Amino acid sequence: SQTIHQWPATLVQPVGSPLSLECTVEGTSNPNLYWYRQAAGRGLQLLFYSVGIGQISSEVPQNLSASRPQDRQFILSSKKLLLSDSGFYLCAWRGGSPLHFGNGTRLTVT
Amino acid sequence: GESVGLHLPTLSVQEGDNSIINCAYSNSASDYFIWYKQESGKGPQFIIDIRSNMDKRQGQRVTVLLNKTVKHLSLQIAATQPGDSAVYFCAETPLYNFNKFYFGSGTKLNVKP
Repeated sequence: SQTIHQWPATLVQPVGSPLSLECTVEGTSNPNLYWYRQAAGRGLQLLFYSVGIGQISSEVPQNLSASRPQDRQFILSSKKLLLSDSGFYLCAWRGGSPLHFGNGTRLTVT
Repeated sequence: GESVGLHLPTLSVQEGDNSIINCAYSNSASDYFIWYKQESGKGPQFIIDIRSNMDKRQGQRVTVLLNKTVKHLSLQIAATQPGDSAVYFCAETPLYNFNKFYFGSGTKLNVKP
């Protein structure tokens, strides 16, 4: 069966510091991969998605970037974090129809 | 983006009762709909989905109803249990871009023992 791993689960970073969140998927090949952000009490906002290695589509212009160095690896990065980058970041994959999510990373920028 | 859901209402039900959670969507081109359950501190968990060529789909203790005329989606949970307490939200995606899922903000379900 397929599983998705996100780490770390929680992260506290100072303003201006870099960020790297990693997501890996097991048990499937060539999945579509996604990064979402969820603000408290709000819906999920699509940040990036990827349909293959090196292919990244950005949905919202902002302080973040994404990369897909391997088929089942998706990385969310920032060179300098802003306070507004705080939130719950979710990675997801899709092989067929529904999205399947990881358990997220709670990022607090101080 | 498209508008789905809009706010976070709360629904309180007694254990054993049936629950009905509603969702409105605005994109008439939406083709595929999903219900997710999210427990505190965790990622959303897939519950059930439905395509626009169907009006109803049943799973284990859950039923999704789709009314395309009024752009309304509902999730019915039979014999609600304390473990069903969570935030439930709907998602939709249009045929023309299956990578863009639009999510509502959700409904919080509280199950009272």
